[in-house]
Amino acid sequence: EADIYQTPRYLVIGTGKKITLECSQTMGHDKMYWYQQDPGMELHLIHYSYGVNSTEKGDLSSESTVSRIRTEHFPLTLESARPSHTSQYLCASSARDSTGELFFGEGSRLTVL
Amino acid sequence: GENVEQHPSTLSVQEGDSAVIKCTYSDSASNYFPWYKQELGKRPQLIIDIRSNVGEKKDQRIAVTLNKTAKHFSLHITETQPEDSAVYFCAAPGTGRRALTFGSGTRLQVQP
Repeated sequence: EADIYQTPRYLVIGTGKKITLECSQTMGHDKMYWYQQDPGMELHLIHYSYGVNSTEKGDLSSESTVSRIRTEHFPLTLESARPSHTSQYLCASSARDSTGELFFGEGSRLTVL
Repeated sequence: GENVEQHPSTLSVQEGDSAVIKCTYSDSASNYFPWYKQELGKRPQLIIDIRSNVGEKKDQRIAVTLNKTAKHFSLHITETQPEDSAVYFCAAPGTGRRALTFGSGTRLQVQP
């Protein structure tokens, strides 16, 4: 079944650790996005990609980085996690630009101690 | 860039009543206005959207209206049920239509 998958779903780590949040989609979509969301709160765009080797920063400044080497894969990396990075990270994809339906993954909830 | 404001932040209604959530946007070039529903612990999902060439769209108990002149759009839920309880987000295309800009969300609580 076509879907968008995120791993891990939950992660608790110590300050200074490097982490990578994985996102893969089998929707066949070119456009992929990362949103940061505190539980039940506003969705903030932190990264987006329109295709392979295309990545851009979003509206909310983030110390994370992303890569898009394969169409279906859009991982997010934090080189040195801090408590301020504690949040939920939602990956999404769409077939069109911002004028089409956005499909979200189930999210990765990160806690940095 | 696009600025989307959403009101109210919380809304409590009795089962069977109607609920209305309103959003305003800043970019007059925006032409697509979706609404997403996020249940507790779940991912946001599209429930209805409207494009700028129409003023209203309905899907069973939910409807969206658009006023391009005033740059606002609203979500209407009739005959509310407890399963309508969730956080609802409006959105509009961001600068250069690169990605959606979301409103701050409305937490709807339907009391049985």
